[in-house]
Amino acid sequence: QPVLTQSSSASASLGSSVKLTCTLSSGHSDYIIAWHQHQPGKAPRYLMKLEGSGSYKKGSGVADRFSGSSSGADRYLTISNLQSEDEADYYCEAWDTDKWVFGGGTKLTVL
Amino acid sequence: QVQLQQSGPGLVKSSQTLSLTCAISGDSVSSKSAAWNWIRQSPSRGLEWLGRTYYRSKWYNDYAVSVRSRISINPDTSKNQFSLQLNSVTPEDTAVYYCARNQADIDFWGQGTLVTVSS
Repeated sequence: QPVLTQSSSASASLGSSVKLTCTLSSGHSDYIIAWHQHQPGKAPRYLMKLEGSGSYKKGSGVADRFSGSSSGADRYLTISNLQSEDEADYYCEAWDTDKWVFGGGTKLTVL
Repeated sequence: QVQLQQSGPGLVKSSQTLSLTCAISGDSVSSKSAAWNWIRQSPSRGLEWLGRTYYRSKWYNDYAVSVRSRISINPDTSKNQFSLQLNSVTPEDTAVYYCARNQADIDFWGQGTLVTVSS
């Protein structure tokens, strides 16, 4: 099964941009993933589906500031013009044959 | 807009059965394009998918290998909801439990229920 690896934490300043990474394990570099945001005290929220080609499709109501890209086994989530409400945990997820697998999540701090 | 509302006890004793329900609005548990999942999160395991139920002219279930002998996920079409039962729980089953819908991706989540298993 694929292993999805994420950095445990990231930080960036208000109004700046940040790029979060989800890396697929060897042999799984063509997998489609999805990004989710989990703000404290709220239900997790689906952000987007991201293909190995870099093509992405966002969920309903997701701000233009969120975008996706890919390079090899890496899947990126870029957040531009960071806002305080972007401070959250971000998870990547993929479907593998008969189960969902998740990355460990990145805790984003907005300075 | 799909909304998932979870309910159930937050405290369960070891060896007993954990039971949670997820009420669906904005979609149907019998939808032929959706599946209805249970996922849990704990500090030691991170996010762990437990299983799902879905309807494609008949009902199907998929379960994670780690809980397959103890889990049951069932739809209730009369109430448009689905449930999780996890038998013979131990403190290792202490986690926040989420229900979620998937079509191509997991696209809607419930608010989460912290379930503590007491020894």
